[in-house]
Amino acid sequence: DAGVIQSPRHEVTEMGQEVTLRCKPISGHDYLFWYRQTMMRGLELLIYFNNNVPIDDSGMPEDRFSAKMPNASFSTLKIQPSEPRDSAVYFCASSLNTAYNEQFFGPGTRLTVL
Amino acid sequence: AQKVTQAQTEISVVEKEDVTLDCVYETRDTTYYLFWYKQPPSGELVFLIRRNSFDEQNEISGRYSWNFQKSTSSFNFTITASQVVDSAVYFCALSEAYNQGGKLIFGQGTELSVKP
Repeated sequence: DAGVIQSPRHEVTEMGQEVTLRCKPISGHDYLFWYRQTMMRGLELLIYFNNNVPIDDSGMPEDRFSAKMPNASFSTLKIQPSEPRDSAVYFCASSLNTAYNEQFFGPGTRLTVL
Repeated sequence: AQKVTQAQTEISVVEKEDVTLDCVYETRDTTYYLFWYKQPPSGELVFLIRRNSFDEQNEISGRYSWNFQKSTSSFNFTITASQVVDSAVYFCALSEAYNQGGKLIFGQGTELSVKP
């Protein structure tokens, strides 16, 4: 079975450009999570969805960040406009329907904003 | 407020040594779950173990063992006879039951370096 799929794996862009990160969760998982990992802040949750509906977006740093989940098999995280401080590794994860279940992480997208 | 503390930022050992990674958590919830994840140099996050707050039995899986003590709010991870392939960053994480879907709160991670 395929795990969580993220694309692109690496993205280099210039400040001010729009960036879109993509995620395909594991089939059958009800929850999808977006995390950001930086040296300074560690792993932090940005937003998560249940059955395609955003449940908690309190971790989204500011209005430049937006996330959507148009269907059960696809989600996007968009940054517009991007800034150098957005440089990080962005992980997508999915899980079954309870807090008990482990989250399965994708390989991450390494974003560099110049 | 929920919080996970991994006080050891970096640990360096020589192969075959035993090593324990500490994890202390804070939560007001009576039902919660604790996890350990491994992040090898390749960058992916790999699930290692899950524990619920009602099960304080220690667990052993090969060279890995976990010690959960509610009295001290700790969930420590021991690697016996460490190997170079164990070199990675290890994260402890907490999920509270009232949080639908299990919002994970991660510790800052402990970077383990196992030298030959």
